[in-house]
Amino acid sequence: EPEVTQTPSHQVTQMGQEVILRCVPISNHLYFYWYRQILGQKVEFLVSFYNNEISEKSEIFDDQFSVERPDGSNFTLKIRSTKLEDSAMYFCASSSRTGSYGYTFGSGTRLTVV
Amino acid sequence: AQTVTQSQPEMSVQEAETVTLSCTYDTSENNYYLFWYKQPPSRQMILVIRQEAYKQQNATENRFSVNFQKAAKSFSLKISDSQLGDTAMYFCAFMKLSGAGSYQLTFGKGTKLSVIP
Repeated sequence: EPEVTQTPSHQVTQMGQEVILRCVPISNHLYFYWYRQILGQKVEFLVSFYNNEISEKSEIFDDQFSVERPDGSNFTLKIRSTKLEDSAMYFCASSSRTGSYGYTFGSGTRLTVV
Repeated sequence: AQTVTQSQPEMSVQEAETVTLSCTYDTSENNYYLFWYKQPPSRQMILVIRQEAYKQQNATENRFSVNFQKAAKSFSLKISDSQLGDTAMYFCAFMKLSGAGSYQLTFGKGTKLSVIP
């Protein structure tokens, strides 16, 4: 069964550093997403991406965040200057044109900012 | 804005028994989709079942079924013949087709289900 692959599975970074979280969505999917889950809290939408541009973003997705699909296969989330409160599990997901059938999520990247 | 409420933070069930997880939501939309996702200790989010709001028939996937009450804005998940592998966090989620067509999900806080041998 096709999978969404996320790397790394765990990343530790110092406050103020830039991090890039990587995702390889399912190849024939058209919509791509990032969600995050702070430990013990609910999963929150960050951003959706379609046709090489952001479709929608939440209030969490401020100027410190950016996404891109540099080579047609990878989908990356960059945090420019990490803060302690960015520590969370970050999930990438992708969906076919009809996203209403549900996403396929990756296994997540646990980001720890120290 | 949509909200999703799961009123049971934790539940437990004996192996082979049946358990029902509750979910209510609030929306002014008429057409939308509802989902249950499972998050085992591995932390991966796995789709369990989906329901289209315009369909009155309740969705079923093997041991998993839902009770969708549109007027009451209720969407409960029933797990029959519970198995140890069902131990996980279960999230109820709502999806509307936003203006941008991005199919954004709104999640509840989750219910931690423990299946006891």
